[in-house]
Amino acid sequence: DADVTQTPRNRITKTGKRIMLECSQTKGHDRMYWYRQDPGLGLRLIYYSFDVKDINKGEISDGYSVSRQAQAKFSLSLESAIPNQTALYFCATSSQDRVNEQFFGPGTRLTVL
Amino acid sequence: AQSVTQLDSHVSVSEGTPVLLRCNYSSSYSPSLFWYVQHPNKGLQLLLKYTSAATLVKGINGFEAEFKKSETSFHLTKPSAHMSDAAEYFCVVSDQSSGNTGKLIFGQGTTLQVKP
Repeated sequence: DADVTQTPRNRITKTGKRIMLECSQTKGHDRMYWYRQDPGLGLRLIYYSFDVKDINKGEISDGYSVSRQAQAKFSLSLESAIPNQTALYFCATSSQDRVNEQFFGPGTRLTVL
Repeated sequence: AQSVTQLDSHVSVSEGTPVLLRCNYSSSYSPSLFWYVQHPNKGLQLLLKYTSAATLVKGINGFEAEFKKSETSFHLTKPSAHMSDAAEYFCVVSDQSSGNTGKLIFGQGTTLQVKP
């Protein structure tokens, strides 16, 4: 079984719709991250969480919100999706003592029409 | 400010020939540098890391990278390419401006094509 899972894997939605992307992990890591990947831009950090009660904005948090429901679960929401949020979204986890060695989920491909 | 620049967006090699993927970094701190690999339709996987120990770093699948402070480079190499090496490769620097937060700064990525 995969250590970091993301649902859904693919999603097509319309402008203005609310959408939630979910991430679960079985690695027992405290830290979790959400990134988006755009062609030619690499990955950019949206939000990160040190633990259930500690959530922080990343480089590009506008238009997004997150919820850390449990140590193992970290969800990303788009309250009102817009076309330029079309991207590949990745969840990642790390332990507290190796924060830069991150383990990534398989990604969610989101298309906003 | 910290950043990484991958000098080639696309590299094509023949199977069995050497691989060189180039990365330059900029950092006000003693940098922690990484290479991650992304195979098609998969998440990213850590390939190797440099954290101020040995300047020549060995990673998985026969890859190596050498940290050269004088050239601010961290190029990725492999002596002999295999078809399974075809993937996208990201050079990454740890953002240490706000402490040990796990914030990573990614390069733009280099797509490695391996021809039979």
